[in-house]
Amino acid sequence: KNEVEQSPQNLTAQEGEFITINCSYSVGISALHWLQQHPGGGIVSLFMLSSGKKKHGRLIATINIQEKHSSLHITASHPRDSAVYICAAVSEPDRSEKLVFGKGTKLTVNP
Amino acid sequence: SQTIHQWPATLVQPVGSPLSLECTVEGTSNPNLYWYRQAAGRGLQLLFYSVGIGQISSEVPQNLSASRPQDRQFILSSKKLLLSDSGFYLCAWSDYGGRGYTFGSGTRLTVV
Repeated sequence: KNEVEQSPQNLTAQEGEFITINCSYSVGISALHWLQQHPGGGIVSLFMLSSGKKKHGRLIATINIQEKHSSLHITASHPRDSAVYICAAVSEPDRSEKLVFGKGTKLTVNP
Repeated sequence: SQTIHQWPATLVQPVGSPLSLECTVEGTSNPNLYWYRQAAGRGLQLLFYSVGIGQISSEVPQNLSASRPQDRQFILSSKKLLLSDSGFYLCAWSDYGGRGYTFGSGTRLTVV
């Protein structure tokens, strides 16, 4: 069983819909990242969370440490949001801060 | 501001040839440095990480090696490439306990 599980694996939405991607982890963590990978392959870090909630534009990320669960929400989705979204955990205690990745959620937003 | 440079962007190499991918970071000192690989249709996998000059940790036994000759330079190498080395290679850095991760733009390697 992977230490970081994401769901769904694939998600298709219509423009304007509210999107939720879920991530569960089975290890103790010091932080959790949400990453966005576009078709060309480049990866951008969207959020780094250790508790609570963060918001950036139409993106919201939450984490519940007790339940070992995080969610990424996209409000008013747009075709340009189409990408693979990856959840990645930083195990604790670990000076290396190496990431353990989920397998990603491929999001397609249709106009 | 911190930036990360990774090159080349694409590379096609014959089986058995050597490999050298380079990554440099600007605007920070003593970063953690990482090499990740994404094989076709698969998730990201950590290959090597380094918490300081000359300190290299390997996560997956393989045909590749890494070196950190300077604080902000991380090199991924192979003496003889295999077909299975094809994939998308990403360099990344983090400042321990700080501002999170920054990824390079990646190198798409095709071994033919």
